Amino acid sequence: AQTVTQSQPEMSVQEAETVTLSCTYDTSESDYYLFWYKQPPSRQMILVIRQEAYKQQNATENRFSVNFQKAAKSFSLKISDSQLGDAAMYFCAYRRAISSGSARQLTFGSGTQLTVLP
Amino acid sequence: EPEVTQTPSHQVTQMGQEVILRCVPISNHLYFYWYRQILGQKVEFLVSFYNNEISEKSEIFDDQFSVERPDGSNFTLKIRSTKLEDSAMYFCASSRDHNEKLFFGSGTQLSVL
Repeated sequence: AQTVTQSQPEMSVQEAETVTLSCTYDTSESDYYLFWYKQPPSRQMILVIRQEAYKQQNATENRFSVNFQKAAKSFSLKISDSQLGDAAMYFCAYRRAISSGSARQLTFGSGTQLTVLP
Repeated sequence: EPEVTQTPSHQVTQMGQEVILRCVPISNHLYFYWYRQILGQKVEFLVSFYNNEISEKSEIFDDQFSVERPDGSNFTLKIRSTKLEDSAMYFCASSRDHNEKLFFGSGTQLSVL
């Protein structure tokens, strides 16, 4: 079974600074997807960024980027120029890739609560 | 941007009662999911649904749970006889394709008293 581990229950960052959230995962699959979801106090799950395992290039979305190390099974999220609105719980998630129809589940980590200090 | 809609946003029920949580996935999506999150804990998978049948289900999704797509737009989760430990935020999600990203609804907070 796949597992996702987030070893930092809480992190804090000064506004405008950069912070990196860690995530490791365990899988025997070679093809899969990795995600970072943000959950603000409203508790809605918002996709931040997605990485396909077959792509060597790290995904980037504006101020958010990942460091994907497939051999090490590591998938960290870097937030640059942190803003007060970035304060939220961040979940790392894994999903197996499949070649045909059949819905597959996301496996989530336990989350990292990010505080942004003004 | 299209959204997944969940109703109600809050549901309070007595232990042993049946509840139905409702979701309207994004209209051209074919894959549907229910997840739940007990306060302060990780998000847990319950069930996935494709082509009018369950694709996968977790050990949480026992005989007390069922899902249905009664028409072309709704996707429901029924809990037949609620227990205190069913209190959680329930998230519906949908995706267009099996490898596409999931869009989550804003959740239904279920409180079982």
